[in-house]
Amino acid sequence: QKEVEQNSGPLSVPEGAIASLNCTYSDRGSQSFFWYRQYSGKSPELIMFIYSNGDKEDGRFTAQLNKASQYVSLLIRDSQPSDSATYLCAVGEAGTALIFGKGTTLSVSS
Amino acid sequence: GAGVSQSPSNKVTEKGKDVELRCDPISGHTALYWYRQSLGQGLEFLIYFQGNSAPDKSGLPSDRFSAERTGGSVSTLTIQRTQQEDSAVYLCASSRQVLNTGELFFGEGSRLTVL
Repeated sequence: QKEVEQNSGPLSVPEGAIASLNCTYSDRGSQSFFWYRQYSGKSPELIMFIYSNGDKEDGRFTAQLNKASQYVSLLIRDSQPSDSATYLCAVGEAGTALIFGKGTTLSVSS
Repeated sequence: GAGVSQSPSNKVTEKGKDVELRCDPISGHTALYWYRQSLGQGLEFLIYFQGNSAPDKSGLPSDRFSAERTGGSVSTLTIQRTQQEDSAVYLCASSRQVLNTGELFFGEGSRLTVL
């Protein structure tokens, strides 16, 4: 059974701080890793993906992947109240559907 | 259409009734997925279709659940003899291919309530 684990939170950070979201996965064969954001009552939307070990930066977001530790993280710099949402980690491999974690709820206070 | 379209957006049914949920993916997307999300939970994979290949049904929770995809486009998820634990939001997503580039485009979901 492939599993993706996330701390459900809530993770509370003040505006302007760095939010750190973490995810671990069980299947060593996993090849692709994603972070989706889901606002309350809305559908998930992709914010970042990463395939290789190391860091990948996109604006205020940085995804980090460590395949040896089976660990993925998402850093959000200069957090804004509009970043308040549930962040879903998803993991996949070729020919299979993405497996999602249960999500971490982030709350950014102004 | 421009996005993934799902219908109905809301469905209230009585226990034991059958329901059908429809998904119209983005034109040209060959892969189509069904997930469900219970209150406060993550996305639970149900089934996916890729082109003319046999669907991956490994996530279907029981034989009361089935899905088909006609002509490589529209998909229908059918739940027979609904139970209260089937209450959830059923999300459909599509992508250009199933090689997991990750760009799943989700519909707005069908919220099912079983009384």
